[in-house]
Amino acid sequence: NAGVMQNPRHLVRRRGQEARLRCSPMKGHSHVYWYRQLPEEGLKFMVYLQKENIIDESGMPKERFSAEFPKEGPSILRIQQVVRGDSAAYFCASSPPASDYTFGSGTRLTVV
Amino acid sequence: EDQVTQSPEALRLQEGESSSLNCSYTVSGLRGLFWYRQDPGKGPEFLFTLYSAGEEKEKERLKATLTKKESFLHITAPKPEDSATYLCAVQFNSGYSTLTFGKGTMLLVSP
Repeated sequence: NAGVMQNPRHLVRRRGQEARLRCSPMKGHSHVYWYRQLPEEGLKFMVYLQKENIIDESGMPKERFSAEFPKEGPSILRIQQVVRGDSAAYFCASSPPASDYTFGSGTRLTVV
Repeated sequence: EDQVTQSPEALRLQEGESSSLNCSYTVSGLRGLFWYRQDPGKGPEFLFTLYSAGEEKEKERLKATLTKKESFLHITAPKPEDSATYLCAVQFNSGYSTLTFGKGTMLLVSP
């Protein structure tokens, strides 16, 4: 079992570019969560998805951010027109229904 | 507003020097309290889940306890490999399965 796989591990984008972060959940896990960790701050919930459905996006900024978890393939967190304040570590977690999470190793986004 | 506060922010111990980390929370309804360990450059690694006041769980040198307002992570005779940031998170009854995290306690154990 390969665990939760996130890629890329590190991503550098210039201001105004798009960032795409990918997350492949553990085998058998149908729930995916995205969290963001800003420097000197705790992990903050962004969005909770099940296959082809967004269940809770209350933590995701209304503009420039979107997430999907298609029927086939990884979950994608997309950030359009990135700004310096988007620089952070983005973590994905997956779980079976009503069970504990497993986190991935994260994608570290740097906006220059 | 539901909050999770961890203390201290940082803790330095000598190898073998036992101590405790604190996690206090103010939530309208607690479904579960979680402890994670996070090493630099890595994602959080699950340690424990506690569901009700009075519950205790142990794993090697770690023991987690829960009261109605706080949780403690006791570290007995720590070793340098226990150095990490320890995160506490709370899951509410009112929400989905999402977690609200504290900022963590950075533990450094010196040989």
